[in-house]
Amino acid sequence: GENVEQHPSTLSVQEGDSAVIKCTYSDSASNYFPWYKQELGKRPQLIIDIRSNVGEKKDQRIAVTLNKTAKHFSLHITETQPEDSAVYFCAALLLGEMIYNQGGKLIFGQGTELSVKP
Amino acid sequence: ETGVTQTPRHLVMGMTNKKSLKCEQHLGHNAMYWYKQSAKKPLELMFVYNFKEQTENNSVPSRFSPECPNSSHLFLHLHTLQPEDSALYLCASSQVQKNSGNTIYFGEGSWLTVV
Repeated sequence: GENVEQHPSTLSVQEGDSAVIKCTYSDSASNYFPWYKQELGKRPQLIIDIRSNVGEKKDQRIAVTLNKTAKHFSLHITETQPEDSAVYFCAALLLGEMIYNQGGKLIFGQGTELSVKP
Repeated sequence: ETGVTQTPRHLVMGMTNKKSLKCEQHLGHNAMYWYKQSAKKPLELMFVYNFKEQTENNSVPSRFSPECPNSSHLFLHLHTLQPEDSALYLCASSQVQKNSGNTIYFGEGSWLTVV
């Protein structure tokens, strides 16, 4: 089955700096990669996602890149702010006929605790 | 508010108790999930229900028993749990579509403490 590795487990940056979180996945057939942000005591929420037919996607200060050959994808946050402090989870999913009949089996990485210091 | 509500938010139970966690989604989705979140561990997928049918049981001990009476409701029945089962249990739902994104929406979670 799919396995997702996420690094680093903790990341501390100064406000205004960039933050990069990296994930690797094992199943080359996976084709959907979302990122979730979980603030302390709250639920995980989707912040950005990317499909395997796209190499990069950007939404304001957040961007995600995907390297299918190397089977890794990364989250980039620019101009970090204290409110970006949270735990970030990457995930991988195989879309398509098989999964449609089996439900969406989203597998998460271990999470990265990001701390943005003012 | 994401349209997925869980009750109770906090639960303390003894190892011999029987309790249930409840989840309801108001988004018209066709799939529902239970995830377990422990300290310093990734989100662990426990069960998947697609169109009310259980399609995934990720080697979860039988002391956890899911029930999905319809596409909007999901339960997790708990009995004879162990202290190591203490965790945040997250319910989620999504609209699973072929060759399309599968955004999962989480509930607020139920904090379970087994004493």
